[in-house]
Parts: sequence; C-alpha cells; structure tokens
Amino acid sequence: GENVEQHPSTLSVQEGDSAVIKCTYSDSASNYFPWYKQELGKRPQLIIDIRSNVGEKKDQRIAVTLNKTAKHFSLHITETQPEDSAVYFCAAKAGGTSYGKLTFGQGTILTVHP
Amino acid sequence: DAGITQSPRHKVTETGTPVTLRCHQTENHRYMYWYRQDPGHGLRLIHYSYGVKDTDKGEVSDGYSVSRSKTEDFLLTLESATSSQTSVYFCASSRAGEENIQYFGAGTRLSVL
Repeated sequence: GENVEQHPSTLSVQEGDSAVIKCTYSDSASNYFPWYKQELGKRPQLIIDIRSNVGEKKDQRIAVTLNKTAKHFSLHITETQPEDSAVYFCAAKAGGTSYGKLTFGQGTILTVHP
Repeated sequence: DAGITQSPRHKVTETGTPVTLRCHQTENHRYMYWYRQDPGHGLRLIHYSYGVKDTDKGEVSDGYSVSRSKTEDFLLTLESATSSQTSVYFCASSRAGEENIQYFGAGTRLSVL
C-alpha cells in the first residue's frame, strides 16, 4: 500500500519567516495530495490540495508544490503568523482507489514565535 | 464546519468491555471514514463506508467493526476494548463527486484502562 513520510516532525520559526514541510510518497500512481491543519484540540481541516496533473498551487500565503518524478510534495507558508501554529498533515490518495482513501503523514508541529 | 458530529466526545472504559462510537452527518455525504490519531502516527484509517451497508477495511482494522444502516450514521465498535485502543478517534465524510475532500468531526477521546 501507499506510504507517506513527512518531515520535519517539529518546526519552529519566527513570525514573518517562511516555513516548509516536505512529504514523500511511495506509490507512483498516487494522484491527489491534500494538506490538513489541526489546531490544538480541534479537528483537522483541509487548507490546500493539489492533483497530480499540476506542479504548483497557491492560495494567499500558502502554496504546495509537487514533484512527481521524485515522488515528493511540499507545503510552503510565507510571512508566518502566530495563528499558523498548529499540526500540519500531508496525505496522498493512491491511484486506482476511490472513496477518498487517504494515507496520512505523521504530522509536523509548527510553532511560530511572535 | 460541515454538519458532522461525534458522540461521545470523551469516554473512559475498562479492558474487555465493548464500546461503540457514533458519527452523525447531516450533509447527505455518501462516504464516511473512521480514523485513529496517535502521536507519531498521524491519522490512520480504520474502516470506511462507500454507501449504506457498504463498508471496507482500512490499514488498522483489527479489533474494530463498523456498521452503516443509514446514510447519516456510521458506527465504530470495539468488541472488546484493549489498552492499545486508547486513542483519539476521528470520523470524516465526503460527498459523491468530491470524495477526496474530507470533513472531520471533532473527535472522541477514548481511554481504555
């Protein structure tokens, strides 16, 4: 089955700096890659996603890049703010599967210091 | 947040007892999922449903069963709880045509003593 590795497990930045979280996946047929944000004690919420036919997608201060050849994708947050502090999860949906079956990475705890 | 609720929100139980967690959604979503969240493991899929009475196993299904008798309800049962099942359980749902976009419930914190 699909395997997703996420790094780093923790990331600490100063407010205004950029943050980058990276994920690798094992199934070359995977075709959908979402990122979820989970604030402390809250539910995970989708913040951005990318499909395998696209190399980059942006939404204000966040962007996701995908390198299908290397089988990795990354989340980029620019001009970080304290409210960006949360756990971030990447995920991948294996190709050939349906029903939205996602395999998640282990999570990255992002702390933004004022 | 999508109309997805979990009950109970917290539960403490003893080893060997049966436990049922409920997920209820008012979005008429076709697909529903149960995950467990443990430190260092992210979210792991336990079981999922692709329609009423249609369910299948995820990556960590041992010791768990599910049922879906109505579109809006998806039940997760631990037949005989063990300490290794102490975790936070999340339910999620997604609609037909956008099955990749999952909306999560608030979670159930289960402690098995």
